[in-house]
Amino acid sequence: GQSLEQPSEVTAVEGAIVQINCTYQTSGFYGLSWYQQHDGGAPTFLSYNALDGLEETGRFSSFLSRSDSYGYLLLQELQMKDSASYFCAVLHTNAGKSTFGDGTTLTVKP
Amino acid sequence: DAMVIQNPRYQVTQFGKPVTLSCSQTLNHNVMYWYQQKSSQAPKLLFHYYDKDFNNEADTPDNFQSRRPNTSFCFLDIRSPGLGDAAMYLCATSRDRGQAEQYFGPGTRLTVT
Repeated sequence: GQSLEQPSEVTAVEGAIVQINCTYQTSGFYGLSWYQQHDGGAPTFLSYNALDGLEETGRFSSFLSRSDSYGYLLLQELQMKDSASYFCAVLHTNAGKSTFGDGTTLTVKP
Repeated sequence: DAMVIQNPRYQVTQFGKPVTLSCSQTLNHNVMYWYQQKSSQAPKLLFHYYDKDFNNEADTPDNFQSRRPNTSFCFLDIRSPGLGDAAMYLCATSRDRGQAEQYFGPGTRLTVT
């Protein structure tokens, strides 16, 4: 079967750094994506890792360890607008589709 | 510059009354997806098209069907909506198979009365 696990909720203060972890069990793993979804909005793509290591995009970075079936999203210099749900998603080999985790609700407090 | 458009944004239908949701894209992407998302849950893939090649998820109810008459448009038909089908329905595209980045439309929130 396939499963992705991520914490259901995370709370942090403005200006802080937060890490959202994602572990997965799946066949045909190709890569790991991260999406942000504000309440009532559509998911928006943040990052993708196909290879081990860190990918940095501005305040957001994403990490992947294929041997550990583990990745994380790192958000730095948190802002109030970062309050949202964050989903990790596994891209499946040759299938052209992704399976999403249940999401982590991030609350940023003043 | 709207890229993935969904109509309507809000749809109310009656129990058992067929309903069609539509999605269009201006990106000329090969792959289109339909997801169902219920409150505080992950988007759940219902089906996807790679060009005209239709791919149904094993656990998608028979009540749900889809059509993609051309590259730009895709439709989700719910033949006999039940109360449990009330959800946000998200359409997404990706440039090609194996591309991780998906572009989502704003969604259609379906209410079943």
